[in-house]
Amino acid sequence: AQKITQTQPGMFVQEKEAVTLDCTYDTSDPSYGLFWYKQPSSGEMIFLIYQGSYDQQNATEGRYSLNFQKARKSANLVISASQLGDSAMYFCAMRESVYGGSQGNLIFGKGTKLSVKP
Amino acid sequence: NAGVTQTPKFQVLKTGQSMTLQCAQDMNHNSMYWYRQDPGMGLRLIYYSASEGTTDKGEVPNGYNVSRLNKREFSLRLESAAPSQTSVYFCASSESPGTANYGYTFGSGTRLTVV
Repeated sequence: AQKITQTQPGMFVQEKEAVTLDCTYDTSDPSYGLFWYKQPSSGEMIFLIYQGSYDQQNATEGRYSLNFQKARKSANLVISASQLGDSAMYFCAMRESVYGGSQGNLIFGKGTKLSVKP
Repeated sequence: NAGVTQTPKFQVLKTGQSMTLQCAQDMNHNSMYWYRQDPGMGLRLIYYSASEGTTDKGEVPNGYNVSRLNKREFSLRLESAAPSQTSVYFCASSESPGTANYGYTFGSGTRLTVV
């Protein structure tokens, strides 16, 4: 069963507008972490934001925020005021706790390619 | 700069050739990983090493072997390369997976083509 689902293979957004990238996950472990990574055309993997399953508030990092809806098992990334440099592939990932029987490795979704239009 | 260093960055192999991808980290992380990235598939775990002296299979281990040489280094070997192993390979490291709140630091990737 797929543990991380990103349903949007590609998205377009106008420069300076906000965009939401969807991510749903599947786990029965009460302790887990959710991550978003950015991969620009140069290929490196850049960590953006982290949300813990017990965190009460949604995570924010500059223009990035994570809309965490635990009951719905969704962890959508919101990018405010899009910039041309935000054009990239974005990956949602999850890591479960080993105390719940998991190997504790980072599991990735298939990614969403975001294109920012000037 | 501290981080994860992968070599080589690019490689072209003929079918049946062997090669070793090298990875080293200087962050004193216990755990290291090898992923492959294929179009439309995201990143898939090949092998990982939770700590020095241990290695385990991930999701797609067939055709690969690994060696955790010491705490810093984790190599990936293709014994007899096949065109299906054409991919981008990423090495990563992290703190121990005891809790879920540690992300990974990635190397810059190796683009491998098998012809």
